[in-house]
Amino acid sequence: KQEVTQIPAALSVPEGENLVLNCSFTDSAIYNLQWFRQDPGKGLTSLLLIQSSQREQTSGRLNASLDKSSGRSTLYIAASQPGDSATYLCAVSDYGQNFVFGPGTRLSVLP
Amino acid sequence: NAGVTQTPKFQVLKTGQSMTLQCAQDMNHEYMSWYRQDPGMGLRLIHYSVGAGITDQGEVPNGYNVSRSTTEDFPLRLLSAAPSQTSVYFCASSYGGGSSYEQYFGPGTRLTVT
Repeated sequence: KQEVTQIPAALSVPEGENLVLNCSFTDSAIYNLQWFRQDPGKGLTSLLLIQSSQREQTSGRLNASLDKSSGRSTLYIAASQPGDSATYLCAVSDYGQNFVFGPGTRLSVLP
Repeated sequence: NAGVTQTPKFQVLKTGQSMTLQCAQDMNHEYMSWYRQDPGMGLRLIHYSVGAGITDQGEVPNGYNVSRSTTEDFPLRLLSAAPSQTSVYFCASSYGGGSSYEQYFGPGTRLTVT
């Protein structure tokens, strides 16, 4: 059974810092990996989708990498801002459409 | 496009009551799914559908029913509510074609069972 973990569980950084969030999964036979952002009391907003054949995706200040063989993904956030404060979730799909989620990393960016 | 919509936003039920959580999408997505989110447990898949008339169970299906009569709608029915079903419920959809399975989520329904 696929299991997804995220480290750290919570992170607090001063504004302007670059930071890395980590996601690990136990079964490397994944189809996709998707990073989401969730604000308190809200739904999930898709940030980046990495297909199994890709090694990274970029969107603005965000860069996500994928290493299937080691079962790891990282989300890099450059020049963090208070508006980046949220919970970040990663999810992996093993046959295309059903995702297994990690517990999330709660990020606080202090002004 | 409205994307994925869910109603109601909040609901309080008494043990044993039944209700239906509504989910609709206007993106012509074939794939739809329901998740529940509990503190410390992350999101867990309840049921999913790969197209109209086709549904299947996810990780935690007990106590829930689904049907998919149209591409747009995917309601989730609680048959006899229990306190263990207190949770936040999210509906999601994706195109399901080719290699792009990016999931889009609704805003959620916060359910309390007393």
